[in-house]
Amino acid sequence: ETGVTQTPRHLVMGMTNKKSLKCEQHLGHNAMYWYKQSAKKPLELMFVYSLEERVENNSVPSRFSPECPNSSHLFLHLHTLQPEDSALYLCASSHSRDPGWYGYTFGSGTRLTVV
Amino acid sequence: KQEVTQIPAALSVPEGENLVLNCSFTDSAIYNLQWFRQDPGKGLTSLLLIQSSQREQTSGRLNASLDKSSGRSTLYIAASQPGDSATYLCAGGGSAHNTDKLIFGTGTRLQVFP
Repeated sequence: ETGVTQTPRHLVMGMTNKKSLKCEQHLGHNAMYWYKQSAKKPLELMFVYSLEERVENNSVPSRFSPECPNSSHLFLHLHTLQPEDSALYLCASSHSRDPGWYGYTFGSGTRLTVV
Repeated sequence: KQEVTQIPAALSVPEGENLVLNCSFTDSAIYNLQWFRQDPGKGLTSLLLIQSSQREQTSGRLNASLDKSSGRSTLYIAASQPGDSATYLCAGGGSAHNTDKLIFGTGTRLQVFP
């Protein structure tokens, strides 16, 4: 375990379902990120939270809704997804003061399949 | 827009070989660079972080270097083992802002056979 825990590890959902992905870290980091990894594409940044405030939304469709209730927890709420949203969703955290100095820590990801 | 290219895309070698994986950025203004390993269907494991004031990092059989003037990084793996088989990703950060984000390459898929 890296210190960043993601649940569930696998999720299959229908296009009309509502589900949530959870990410938790107890590394003392105060910035958290959602990335999407699709086959044969680079990781894509979806959302960035720093000190619990969303600071970046990389033009992600509104069917993805993030929530960061505190610096240790991050959620990604999903509703009315499309089959092309099937991917590995990765959570990461960093020291927001200087992530370039301390680096990023990733979770193991949630493999999402939309049917 | 920063883009990252990793060469080769795939590599298959016998055990014991010394390997070089390459990573290049279209914009050489890279603040820091991190190399990750990803096993199939799993998350990313950080291997080496080259911080903004550094040019090189070593951990065991791994050595990574960063040439900021050319925007290129190299990951050197000595005496490769079957357990090294994985996808290797490089990612660069472009600024010192406190919400800096990494730009990832598409990875090099490595297979080391006995």
